[in-house]
Amino acid sequence: QITLKESGPTLVKPTQTLTLTCTFSGFSLSTSGVGVGWIRQPPGKALEWLALIYWDDDKRYSPSLKSRLTITKDTSKNQVVLTMTNMDPVDTATYYCAHCGGDCSSFDYWGQGTLVTVSS
Amino acid sequence: SYELTQPLSVSVALGQTARITCGGNNIGSKNVHWYQQKPGQAPVLVIYRDSNRPSGIPERFSGSNSGNTATLTISRAQAGDEADYYCQVWDSSTWVFGGGTKLTVL
Repeated sequence: QITLKESGPTLVKPTQTLTLTCTFSGFSLSTSGVGVGWIRQPPGKALEWLALIYWDDDKRYSPSLKSRLTITKDTSKNQVVLTMTNMDPVDTATYYCAHCGGDCSSFDYWGQGTLVTVSS
Repeated sequence: SYELTQPLSVSVALGQTARITCGGNNIGSKNVHWYQQKPGQAPVLVIYRDSNRPSGIPERFSGSNSGNTATLTISRAQAGDEADYYCQVWDSSTWVFGGGTKLTVL
């Protein structure tokens, strides 16, 4: 049974750096073809893909946010960490992590999400 | 960057068939995935690679993809199908979501 859970601060101030952790179980991020991605959703708005890390440590970023994002993995801890620099109120959103397998073109398991509010 | 266009809202009478479209340039050449999201919940994958249903998804959910339009079809719509639906593709090493469609079951 695959599960994922996001953790991190619920409130950050503008210009601060956000660090979110995705802790997962039921799969290994050292297995070929597996990836973990981050997707966010501002209140009342659409889903937006942010970043993804593959089993082989290959990384992909949203072109519009690439300069602000870093994704890393700790295979031994079953964790994936996303950092986003220079946070702004428009970054207020629910942040999800999700598993992809097979061709990794879709996300088949999602965490419950964590709401991050950016406010002074 | 690749863009996906969905209608903001679709309404369907209880028990009838709902069709939600997803438009994109030559989207028929891509694999399209669909997610259902109910209020306060995480998205759930309901269709992958155009027309495949994950385990546990009712047969009432089906998908097709051709030309510039992909379609999610929900047969015999139920009250529990009321949700937001998002299409998604993988393009040039990025994962692109549509703007979402709110399905209302009347």
